This record gives sequence, C-alpha cells and structure tokens, in this order.
Amino acid sequence: DAGVIQSPRHEVTEMGQEVTLRCKPISGHDYLFWYRQTMMRGLELLIYFNNNVPIDDSGMPEDRFSAKMPNASFSTLKIQPSEPRDSAVYFCASSLGFLAGNTIYFGEGSWLTVV
Amino acid sequence: AQTVTQSQPEMSVQEAETVTLSCTYDTSESNYYLFWYKQPPSRQMILVIRQEAYKQQNATENRFSVNFQKAAKSFSLKISDSQLGDTAMYFCAFMKQGGSEKLVFGKGTKLTVNP
Repeated sequence: DAGVIQSPRHEVTEMGQEVTLRCKPISGHDYLFWYRQTMMRGLELLIYFNNNVPIDDSGMPEDRFSAKMPNASFSTLKIQPSEPRDSAVYFCASSLGFLAGNTIYFGEGSWLTVV
Repeated sequence: AQTVTQSQPEMSVQEAETVTLSCTYDTSESNYYLFWYKQPPSRQMILVIRQEAYKQQNATENRFSVNFQKAAKSFSLKISDSQLGDTAMYFCAFMKQGGSEKLVFGKGTKLTVNP
C-alpha cells in the first residue's frame, strides 16, 4: 500500500505569498494530522481531522493558517500570507485510530522556506 | 498535560555495539500508548516500535526493543547490533488512549553510529 503522500516536497516562496501544502492519507485511514517541525519548537500538532471533520485546531498558530479536508483522500494546509517564521517542515500523517492501536504514519514532509 | 522528556540530546555508538536511548514521560492517565520514531537525514518520520501501557511485556522489533517501566514512567529504546543506517534523530512520543489522538513528542536524541 502507498504511504501518506505529500506535495510539494520542497517549496521556496517569497514573504506575503500564499502557500498550499497537499496531502493524501493512507487509504482507509479516518484520522489525518498536520504537524510542523522546527528547530526551536520541535514537532507540533497543528490540526487533526476525523472522518474529514476538524476535531482539534488549537495548534494552528494564527489566522494565516487554514486546513481543509474536502474528502477522505485529500487535505490541504494553506498559509496566507506567508512569513519567514513559517519556514519549517510540515508533515501530514494518518491513522486508523483506536482500531489500529493509534499508530500514526507520517508522510515524507514538505520543506517550506519563506524568504 | 502530558510531557515527554529525552534527556540525551546526542549519543554515539560504534557499529555492532548496543545503545540505549532514554525517555521519561509525565501523565496522570492509566491507559496510553508509547512510541519511538526514527527520523533519518531525509527527515521522514518512521515508526520504530510501539508499546501499549496495559501490556507488561516489553515490545520488540528485530534489533529494537524497549524497557517499559510504568511505575517509573520510563520508556527506553535499546538498539542492538547498531548499523550505520541507524544514524538518525530518535523521538519518543506519548498518546493517551481514548478521546484524543494527539501524539506528544520529546525533543529527540541524535544518534550517530560510527564505523
């Protein structure tokens, strides 16, 4: 089975531009997570969905960040406008939840650099 | 709130030797899961091993095993017969069972396997 698929793998953008990160979870998984990794703050959960519904977005840093999951096989994380401090690796992850012992599988990450 | 502490920012080991990475956590929960994830230079997060808190038996996956001490809230990872490909950041993570799918990560331990 294919793992969690993220795109783009790398993106360099200018401050003020809109950034859209995309994610395809593992087929059949009903939980989807967006994490951010920085040197300063480590791995942080931004938001997670269950059955396409946002459950907890308390980790979303500010209104510039938004996430959607229009269907079970696709999610986006959007930053508008982007700022240099948004530079990080953004991970999408998915799981079957309690049915599979809550094991979470990560994608390869999207490296974002905002200049 | 749960916290995960990895007290060793960096460690090194000679190829074929055994190394143990430490992890402690703080929680008032009785039922939870613990995980070790590996992050090689490619930055992908790879699940190494998981442990259910209700199981007394320590989990084992090939060369990787854990020493789970529930009363002490300790969850160390032992890597036997270390290989060069084991060079990576290792993250300990906690998830409480039921009601939330949040993974709480430690800051990580950078492991270098020397030839």
